[in-house]
Amino acid sequence: DIQMTQSPSSLSASIGDRVTITCRASQSISIYLNWYQHKPGKAPNLLIYGASSLQSGVPSRFSGSGSGTDFTLSISSLQPEDFASYYCQQSYSTPYTFGQGTKLEIK
Amino acid sequence: QVQLQESGPGLVKPSQTLSLTCTVSGGSISTAGYYWSWIRQHPGEGLEWIGDIYFSGSTTYNPSLESRVAISRDTSKIQFSLRLSSVTAADTAIYYCARSYSGSYYYSDYWGQGALVTVSS
Repeated sequence: DIQMTQSPSSLSASIGDRVTITCRASQSISIYLNWYQHKPGKAPNLLIYGASSLQSGVPSRFSGSGSGTDFTLSISSLQPEDFASYYCQQSYSTPYTFGQGTKLEIK
Repeated sequence: QVQLQESGPGLVKPSQTLSLTCTVSGGSISTAGYYWSWIRQHPGEGLEWIGDIYFSGSTTYNPSLESRVAISRDTSKIQFSLRLSSVTAADTAIYYCARSYSGSYYYSDYWGQGALVTVSS
């Protein structure tokens, strides 16, 4: 299985801050990398697919980059509704595996 | 707008079979190019892909669960289902169903709210 490692596991930030979350794959996955936002009790929400393609309806303050083994999710200016957990997922090969998550909290 | 809703028992005894159904509205599970997926989240942990059923009816499972899992569908009811046999406490989790797209990239774009299943006697 391809192991996905996210960092940091938790992050405190303020409204308006720019934040970056990193995801590293245990082998090259080209650009087969998705990012999801997840709030407690809610359905996970697809943010980014193909490493950098913004899902329809997702605000442009979210962006993704990377290829091979190293990827980043950036949020340019944090809004109150952005405080949540974020997960990366590789879709290069089955079993599709997720990172352990990054919990973004208000400072 | 596609919507998914999980349903099934919230409590299952050890060694028994967990059964969940996902009802889809706003779309067909026979539409070409889509997988219908089950994903779970253990308490306080990350997400784990369980498996998919393709629009054609073919299935793919996580090898870690393959000996115990079965995903099926009822196209007339626009539902797909998960069965996980011989459950233990380690199968306690929130179970999500999702629609997954299989074009140039694979991703899950619509999810249900999740169903908590506890394995306990």
